[in-house]
Amino acid sequence: AQSVTQLGSHVSVSEGALVLLRCNYSSSVPPYLFWYVQYPNQGLQLLLKYTTGATLVKGINGFEAEFKKSETSFHLTKPSAHMSDAAEYFCAVRISGNTPLVFGKGTRLSVIA
Amino acid sequence: GAVVSQHPSWVICKSGTSVKIECRSLDFQATTMFWYRQFPKQSLMLMATSNEGSKATYEQGVEKDKFLINHASLTLSTLTVTSAHPEDSSFYICSAWASGGAAYNEQFFGPGTRLTVL
Repeated sequence: AQSVTQLGSHVSVSEGALVLLRCNYSSSVPPYLFWYVQYPNQGLQLLLKYTTGATLVKGINGFEAEFKKSETSFHLTKPSAHMSDAAEYFCAVRISGNTPLVFGKGTRLSVIA
Repeated sequence: GAVVSQHPSWVICKSGTSVKIECRSLDFQATTMFWYRQFPKQSLMLMATSNEGSKATYEQGVEKDKFLINHASLTLSTLTVTSAHPEDSSFYICSAWASGGAAYNEQFFGPGTRLTVL
């Protein structure tokens, strides 16, 4: 069965600093990987996804993630944090077809002015 | 893009009553929908998978008689929390699988329903 581990339940960065949110996955088959953002009392918004092809994936709001098979990782980065980036971020994995997404526990990002 | 709606967005009910939450795919047909539950400051936990016209498949530990799921059409799935108790208070999120076309083949999420049981 597939699973996702997000290292760090809470990450705090200064405004303008690099954002790095870590995600490692476990899957017996090539996975599809996703990052979602959730603002308080709201649903999920897809930031980016990796299915096949280019391992560096660019998403919305300046975020990007790189699929590294050798490290079973899919870390999320953003060069310069903005106050509006403060939210909960979830990494998720799916193995195939219409099987449901399996989510990590989430990382809360705080941005300090 | 594919849009999933949920109704109501929030509901408060008394203990012992039943609450129905609707999940609709607005501009696509969803043969498969998923129901997740999220407790405060926690991740989304899959409750069940529903396929149009058939019985839902529940995850281990989820009471199927308490959380009734109906997926009667390709655009509507409902979750009914029966005899709700305070421990059922949570954020319920539905998701629909959109297949077909390069822009799809992914899950789209509804905005969630906040249930508070007094």
